[in-house]
Amino acid sequence: AQTVTQSQPEMSVQEAETVTLSCTYDTSESNYYLFWYKQPPSRQMILVIRQEAYKQQNATENRFSVNFQKAAKSFSLKISDSQLGDTAMYFCAFMKQTQGAQKLVFGQGTRLTINP
Amino acid sequence: NAGVTQTPKFQVLKTGQSMTLQCAQDMNHEYMSWYRQDPGMGLRLIHYSVGAGITDQGEVPNGYNVSRSTTEDFPLRLLSAAPSQTSVYFCASSSGPTGENEQYFGPGTRLTVT
Repeated sequence: AQTVTQSQPEMSVQEAETVTLSCTYDTSESNYYLFWYKQPPSRQMILVIRQEAYKQQNATENRFSVNFQKAAKSFSLKISDSQLGDTAMYFCAFMKQTQGAQKLVFGQGTRLTINP
Repeated sequence: NAGVTQTPKFQVLKTGQSMTLQCAQDMNHEYMSWYRQDPGMGLRLIHYSVGAGITDQGEVPNGYNVSRSTTEDFPLRLLSAAPSQTSVYFCASSSGPTGENEQYFGPGTRLTVT
């Protein structure tokens, strides 16, 4: 079974700083997807960024980028120029590539606070 | 498009009561799922469906039933509520089974069982 671990329960940075959230996972699969989801106080789950394991290039979405280390099974999220609206819970998630259905396995989450 | 909608937003049940959490999507998505979120934990998959008439169990299915009679709707039934089922429940849908198909989440239902 796959497991996802986020070792930082809480983080806090000043606005405009850069912050990196950590995620490690365990799997014997060779092809899979990794995701970062944001959950603001509204409770809505929002996809931030995704990475396919077969793609060597790290994914980027505007101020969000990942550092994907497949051999180390590590998938960290970097938020540059952090904004107050980035305050949220962030979840790392794993999904096997071929299983006939979307089954996400989530980490425990990191609560990120951006201070003015 | 309303996207994925869930009703109710909040619910309080007594132990032993039954209820149905409603989920609907208007994006013609074949794939739908139910997750629960407990404090200090990420979301965990309860049940999922790959199309009308087809459902299967996820990681934590005990105490829950699902059915999928239409593409649009995927209700989650609690047969006899227990305090351990106090949680926030999320419904999600996607157009395909792979990671290339974004999974869209509903706003969640907060359920308290006393």
